[in-house]
Formats: sequence, C-alpha cells, structure tokens
Amino acid sequence: DGGITQSPKYLFRKEGQNVTLSCEQNLNHDAMYWYRQDPGQGLRLIYYSQIVNDFQKGDIAEGYSVSREKKESFPLTVTSAQKNPTAFYLCASSITAALITEAFFGQGTRLTVV
Amino acid sequence: ELKVEQNPLFLSMQEGKNYTIYCNYSTTSDRLYWYRQDPGKSLESLFVLLSNGAVKQEGRLMASLDTKARLSTLHITAAVHDLSATYFCAVDMGNRGSTLGRLYFGRGTQLTVWP
Repeated sequence: DGGITQSPKYLFRKEGQNVTLSCEQNLNHDAMYWYRQDPGQGLRLIYYSQIVNDFQKGDIAEGYSVSREKKESFPLTVTSAQKNPTAFYLCASSITAALITEAFFGQGTRLTVV
Repeated sequence: ELKVEQNPLFLSMQEGKNYTIYCNYSTTSDRLYWYRQDPGKSLESLFVLLSNGAVKQEGRLMASLDTKARLSTLHITAAVHDLSATYFCAVDMGNRGSTLGRLYFGRGTQLTVWP
C-alpha cells in the first residue's frame, strides 16, 4: 500500500540533544513538507522541499534542519537550538507543488523533552 | 503572507442539528482544502476545492468556495456523534514564486456533537 510513514511515533529528547524524525513516502510524490502542531493550534510549516536536493524554510525553521537526498525521504532534525521542541510533528507529501497541493499526511511523531 | 481564519474555533452541537464552519483567507487564491483530525491522529483529506463556486459533498458534510469573497464554508447537516473531530481549512498560493506548493492552515474548529 502506498503511503507516508513517520517514525518513531513517540520520541523523548533530553535537553541539549539533537534528534532526527524520519519520514518516508512511496507515493512517488515530488513535494514533501514538515509541519509542527501545538495543542489548540493549526499547523505551522517548518520546511518544505519541491524536488530532490532542494528545500526551503517555512515559517518556523529556526532550530530545525532537513535534507532531501532521495525522493522518498525527508528527515527532520530537531537541534538543541530549538528551545521548545515539545510538539506533534507531521510530515506530508503532494504530487507536485506546481499542481494541486492536496497533501497527504503521515501519522505523526510526538516529541517530548524530558 | 497569506492568513487563514476559521470560526468558530469551538463548536458544540446536538445531534441532528445543522451548522456551518467558516474559513476566510486574506489573499487571492483559488485552491482550498478541508481536513479532518481526530484526537492524537493525523490529518485526513476531506475536500479539495479548486475554483470559484466549487461545491463538494460527502455524506453530511458539504464544502463550498467563493474566491471573490475569499471564503469557504463547511456545512454540517443533521450532525452525528461520529463527526466529532477538529476540522482544518488550508489554502495555497498556487504558482506564485517562492510560496509555490506551501499550504497555510487555519487554527482549526473543534467540533463536539452530543446526543
């Protein structure tokens, strides 16, 4: 079955640690996105990538980094520079950014700082 | 920057009643999406609206788009408990330079349907 797989589902980070959230898709989509969701809030865009080896900052990119070495994969690293990383992180993909941007979402990773 | 406002943010309604959720956005766009999110879960795509006057219906939900008014509505008919969830609208700028492909989300409307 085609879809978007995020892992892990739950992640605990100690202060000062970097952690990486995985996002893999087998939908052959060109565009991929990372969003952050805080309780009672909408989704805020962290980074997005329209094509392999290219990505753009979203609204809240500080303290995060990404790579897009393969079409299928768009991992997100939460660095120690991100002061308040506890949130629900959602990865999404769409066929191509130039056409319909209906995004399909993974199941999310809930990150907690301990 | 495109801003998207939903209202109400919280909606509690009795089963069998009708209600409408509104989504206003600040910049010209003809692409609007509605998503549903159950607690602790991911987002599920409900509707894709791509032109002025577009109307789509699925079961007890009907979505419409008025691009001139920069307004989309999600109408709930004869609500049932299973519709309890948070509903998000999202807008994109289409083929417009650096914003290509990104979605702007509203804060969501948390709907609770009670017997």
